Amino acid sequence: GAVVSQHPSWVICKSGTSVKIECRSLDFQATTMFWYRQFPKQSLMLMATSNEGSKATYEQGVEKDKFLINHASLTLSTLTVTSAHPEDSSFYICSATSHRGITGELFFGEGSRLTVL
Amino acid sequence: AQSVSQHNHHVILSEAASLELGCNYSYGGTVNLFWYVQYPGQHLQLLLKYFSGDPLVKGIKGFEAEFIKSKFSFNLRKPSVQWSDTAEYFCAVNANSGNTPLVFGKGTRLSVIA
Repeated sequence: GAVVSQHPSWVICKSGTSVKIECRSLDFQATTMFWYRQFPKQSLMLMATSNEGSKATYEQGVEKDKFLINHASLTLSTLTVTSAHPEDSSFYICSATSHRGITGELFFGEGSRLTVL
Repeated sequence: AQSVSQHNHHVILSEAASLELGCNYSYGGTVNLFWYVQYPGQHLQLLLKYFSGDPLVKGIKGFEAEFIKSKFSFNLRKPSVQWSDTAEYFCAVNANSGNTPLVFGKGTRLSVIA
């Protein structure tokens, strides 16, 4: 199946700093990528949808100025957590689909665990 | 918008017991259905998926699920669980039209005891 890779898998940062998480589709072109976050012992909640070359669409309650998403190419999307605070500590997961306009399966990255001190 | 309900929050079974985890979804259109497993400290793994065709879907590790359209259900089953099946199980759905995100249920934690 298609491979989606996230980097870094673990990151620890100080409060107030910014952290960038990369999501790459390794063997296919990802026309659409989705970013989720998962708090401990909870389900995955969709944060935003990004289509290559256009602005991301954020879910209600997700601050677009805090969680900057860039999908500049068909193989890379980035999530930047700006001015991170301890409450932003979470597991961030990206998923990608390669089917433009056609129903497709989503492929998930390994996730990136962010801990803000 | 779609929504997914997993009624069992935590299931505890003995090894070799049979498993059935419930999943119901709410959506007026055609959907794709998925079950994912997340072992402790690991990322999501796809167990099985349903797009169309035979409503009884077989996945990896001996799991299967049956799509019952009239009941909006997609329950996960395994005839005989093993200790290694201890994990969190998530049912998910997306609309069968274009590039739509998956909507996840809250998950069911399965604990298999020896």
